Amino acid sequence: DTAVSQTPKYLVTQMGNDKSIKCEQNLGHDTMYWYKQDSKKFLKIMFSYNNKELIINETVPNRFSPKSPDKAHLNLHINSLELGDSAVYFCASSHTSANVLTFGAGSRLTVL
Amino acid sequence: RKEVEQDPGPFNVPEGATVAFNCTYSNSASQSFFWYRQDCRKEPKLLMSVYSSGNEDGRFTAQLNRASQYISLLIRDSKLSDSATYLCVVNIGFQKLVFGTGTRLLVSP
Repeated sequence: DTAVSQTPKYLVTQMGNDKSIKCEQNLGHDTMYWYKQDSKKFLKIMFSYNNKELIINETVPNRFSPKSPDKAHLNLHINSLELGDSAVYFCASSHTSANVLTFGAGSRLTVL
Repeated sequence: RKEVEQDPGPFNVPEGATVAFNCTYSNSASQSFFWYRQDCRKEPKLLMSVYSSGNEDGRFTAQLNRASQYISLLIRDSKLSDSATYLCVVNIGFQKLVFGTGTRLLVSP
């Protein structure tokens, strides 16, 4: 059973489109995250939710909108995609107290 | 200054060698420290937490130096399978885990 699963694994789309990436965890964790890993392999936090509440919102363009319907799911919607949005997006989860992250396999977004 | 800094490498070592990586962090209030490993085109996975007194897990030893604000990872008897990128991770507070850019290790036969 996959602990943190994200879909789709690959996404190729045109500039200006809107797309979503979904994430689900079955670990019973109460905190979920989105990280972006760019072409230089730098992994940067975007958002964090704890029990469906937004607790971290880095300086991400408001074209990115996370949504957490429940504590096991954290989805990422991106409007008006730009070339610079091309990256691998990783979902992760953790127990609030543990601080150890379990990552999903990543979603590779390519904007043409 | 970056919050977490690492030498990107690559470190090229032969099998059986001992190799060490350092990582510096800028926030003196940081409380938790970790090393993660990331294989090519895969997700990062926890390698080990770093404790104040230092800790060992098999061939891997992690150290923390709070005074100088750095952590280290030592790998003894390197294996081909150790080839990967090693990410230094620091909890700077409020559930925010900051990743270094990673140090790439290549172990050759």
